[in-house]
Amino acid sequence: GDSVTQMEGPVTLSEEAFLTINCTYTATGYPSLFWYVQYPGEGLQLLLKATKADDKGSNKGFEATYRKETTSFHLEKGSVQVSDSAVYFCALKDAGGTSYGKLTFGQGTILTVHP
Amino acid sequence: DADVTQTPRNRITKTGKRIMLECSQTKGHDRMYWYRQDPGLGLRLIYYSFDVKDINKGEISDGYSVSRQAQAKFSLSLESAIPNQTALYFCATSEHSESPLHFGNGTRLTVT
Repeated sequence: GDSVTQMEGPVTLSEEAFLTINCTYTATGYPSLFWYVQYPGEGLQLLLKATKADDKGSNKGFEATYRKETTSFHLEKGSVQVSDSAVYFCALKDAGGTSYGKLTFGQGTILTVHP
Repeated sequence: DADVTQTPRNRITKTGKRIMLECSQTKGHDRMYWYRQDPGLGLRLIYYSFDVKDINKGEISDGYSVSRQAQAKFSLSLESAIPNQTALYFCATSEHSESPLHFGNGTRLTVT
């Protein structure tokens, strides 16, 4: 079945540092890939997405490129801020088969950014 | 997301009690979902519904039931709560299979 694996956390960085959170996936079809962010006390919000190979999703300075050859969708940001402290989830949605477009989530990575 | 409202926000209950978590949405979406979040496990799908007459089990439906009372309302019930159902529960909606999910702020449930 489909699965998503994220790098182990938590990740702690200083403000303005470079961020990478690794995400790899296993899927039978051609999934769409997503990054969701969860701020303290809130639900998940879509951060960015990519629907086909080599697409790059971007939002709020975050980027991720859909790499079919390495089955990866790593999240990057060049300069993090304290306000980026949150839990980040990688997810996939398999468009076909019996999945009916349901999301499969990774385990989440906690990011803490210090001033 | 204020368009997806979950009640209550927090609930403490005892083992064996029946409890209902409620979700309502003003987005007009047909698709609604219930997920639970556990530390280190991410989110796992409990049930999903693609319209009022269509309800499907997710990957961890045992011990749970749902009711889709209307397009806007989707409730999750624990018939006889047990401590390992202690978790953060999220309701979500989507417009169609290719659109992103919109989440509520969650219900933190503790079963003692």
